[in-house]
Amino acid sequence: GAVVSQHPSWVICKSGTSVKIECRSLDFQATTMFWYRQFPKQSLMLMATSNEGSKATYEQGVEKDKFLINHASLTLSTLTVTSAHPEDSSFYICRAQQGASTDTQYFGPGTRLTVL
Amino acid sequence: DAKTTQPPSMDCAEGRAANLPCNHSTISGNEYVYWYRQIHSQGPQYIIHGLKNNETNEMASLIITEDRKSSTLILPHATLRDTAVYYCIVTGANSKLTFGKGITLSVRP
Repeated sequence: GAVVSQHPSWVICKSGTSVKIECRSLDFQATTMFWYRQFPKQSLMLMATSNEGSKATYEQGVEKDKFLINHASLTLSTLTVTSAHPEDSSFYICRAQQGASTDTQYFGPGTRLTVL
Repeated sequence: DAKTTQPPSMDCAEGRAANLPCNHSTISGNEYVYWYRQIHSQGPQYIIHGLKNNETNEMASLIITEDRKSSTLILPHATLRDTAVYYCIVTGANSKLTFGKGITLSVRP
């Protein structure tokens, strides 16, 4: 079946540094990618939606200048957490959509970010 | 997207069927019902989805009531590895897949 990968699977960084997380669709072209984050014992919260070649659409309350999303190709989207702080520590998960919105959706395995 | 309501938790014995209910009384005609599950510290895993008719695949069956206001996910022979949080999501064209709190299924030996 379709596979979505994320890299790195976990990362620890110092406060104030930037961290880039990659999301790749391995055997299909993802026209749309979604980024979620999940705090401990909570559900997934959608952060932003990105279409290949277009600017991302951010959900209310998500700082677009802090969470930079790039979707430069049909198989790769990146999320950069700029000037990370401890409160940004979370589980970041991407989702890739191949075609129609009602098709099967594929999630990545997630990236655990810990900011010290 | 229409809102869904699920009980917070349930358990079942290994080898028995697990029936997970979901209410979505405000579902509109073009919205689908999706089920995902999330095992601890992993990304959500797609299980099944449907519009009106009942659906079955190798993982589960999805039973949607005729009025579409509720549905049931059936895991026919639950195993310990099915212990997870199960999310019932209703979504239409925007496909945002808004996650609620889900139901925690615990499969006991």
